[in-house]
Amino acid sequence: QVQLVESGGGLVKPGGSLRLSCAASGSTFSDYYMSWIRQAPGKGLEWISYISRSGSPIYQADSVKGRFTISRDNAKNSLFLQMNSLRAEDTAVYYCASCRDGYIYFQHWGQGTPVTVSA
Amino acid sequence: AIRMTQSPSSFSASTGDRVTITCRASQDIRSYLAWYQQKPGKAPKLLIYAASTLQSGVPSRFSGSGSGTDFTLTISCLQSEDFATYYCQQYYDYPPITFGQGTRVEIK
Repeated sequence: QVQLVESGGGLVKPGGSLRLSCAASGSTFSDYYMSWIRQAPGKGLEWISYISRSGSPIYQADSVKGRFTISRDNAKNSLFLQMNSLRAEDTAVYYCASCRDGYIYFQHWGQGTPVTVSA
Repeated sequence: AIRMTQSPSSFSASTGDRVTITCRASQDIRSYLAWYQQKPGKAPKLLIYAASTLQSGVPSRFSGSGSGTDFTLTISCLQSEDFATYYCQQYYDYPPITFGQGTRVEIK
């Protein structure tokens, strides 16, 4: 099974940018469909983006469309989330998660990386 | 977007209790429903997918049922390690993938 480790979170000012990474190990990364899911402090889970095994198709939530970009590098076993034009409401723990059989439920999760957007 | 509504939002129970959490979809999602458990400061853990299929390694005291718009997660004999927040998630129609708001199970 795949193990996932996120990195790249931190404190950023409103309007700023951040790039999150998710490193996969333990299994063939290109076998997995991947998503980013976030959780604001004290709140529930919000799915924000999905990328298929080959890199297409990509799906995004309306809340991040035009600001966030998901991508992957199968040769480097890595998933990315480029976040631009960050807002206070983007403050959350960001998880990468995988699914394998084409149905988008999440079998494996990383530990999460916190993102704080504040002046 | 399909709206997922869980009930109750929270409740208290005792070790050994049988507990049931309900999840309702705003439209028919057939059996494309998953359940997760999340403990404080930890990532969610998949418990059930396809409404009633137990994920490998999940104790058999967890079970799921339902199809269409109404689903339940049942814990047959609550253990101390089961006190957590539970989420349902639909994957029938997307984007977006949507989660319920969560149900917190607390110790009585």
